[in-house]
Amino acid sequence: DAKTTQPTSMDCAEGRAANLPCNHSTISGNEYVYWYRQIHSQGPQYIIHGLKNNETNEMASLIITEDRKSSTLILPHATLRDTAVYYCIVRVMGEYGNKLVFGAGTILRVKS
Amino acid sequence: DAGVIQSPRHEVTEMGQEVTLRCKPISGHNSLFWYRQTMMRGLELLIYFNNNVPIDDSGMPEDRFSAKMPNASFSTLKIQPSEPRDSAVYFCASRGWRDGSSGANVLTFGAGSRLTVL
Repeated sequence: DAKTTQPTSMDCAEGRAANLPCNHSTISGNEYVYWYRQIHSQGPQYIIHGLKNNETNEMASLIITEDRKSSTLILPHATLRDTAVYYCIVRVMGEYGNKLVFGAGTILRVKS
Repeated sequence: DAGVIQSPRHEVTEMGQEVTLRCKPISGHNSLFWYRQTMMRGLELLIYFNNNVPIDDSGMPEDRFSAKMPNASFSTLKIQPSEPRDSAVYFCASRGWRDGSSGANVLTFGAGSRLTVL
């Protein structure tokens, strides 16, 4: 699996956009980028995933560079409840028996 | 949909005792995962099942750990005998077959079982 690199922590003002970067320079052509987050004392929660096109859902947007070596998760209007650890994971989709391996992630602190 | 249900939420036991953690996946999901989380090692995948069959148990720390999935709606993770270093939060997650085509790695996690071994 491709390795990902994320900043250890980031701060964001409440109401502003939170932009969380992830580097995955060794990603292969059939690997997807997944984002999860974990709010304190809860289980991880799926946010979004994508292959090469930008994706948006009710939670966030995912911007993947054209060379696919990096991506950015965007929370358009961060709230205090978005304070969490955010995990970027790359993985092949569709393999029988594939598994998700979590790294250290980015601690996002949203401040009022 | 009640989500992934884990029990107990908290368990405090003494070293040497047997511990059994339980998980009920989302109805209709065909894959189940057990993770362990500690401050030192983060989230570690212990084992996962597809259609009740263990696929990869390479993350199981040692023979003291065992996991079973007797049917599609129930799984257990057992530690016997338990040791203080087993203290952690244990998460169960499930994934649906229909997610295999459009979201093969979209896992739904339970709230976790916090284990403390004294």
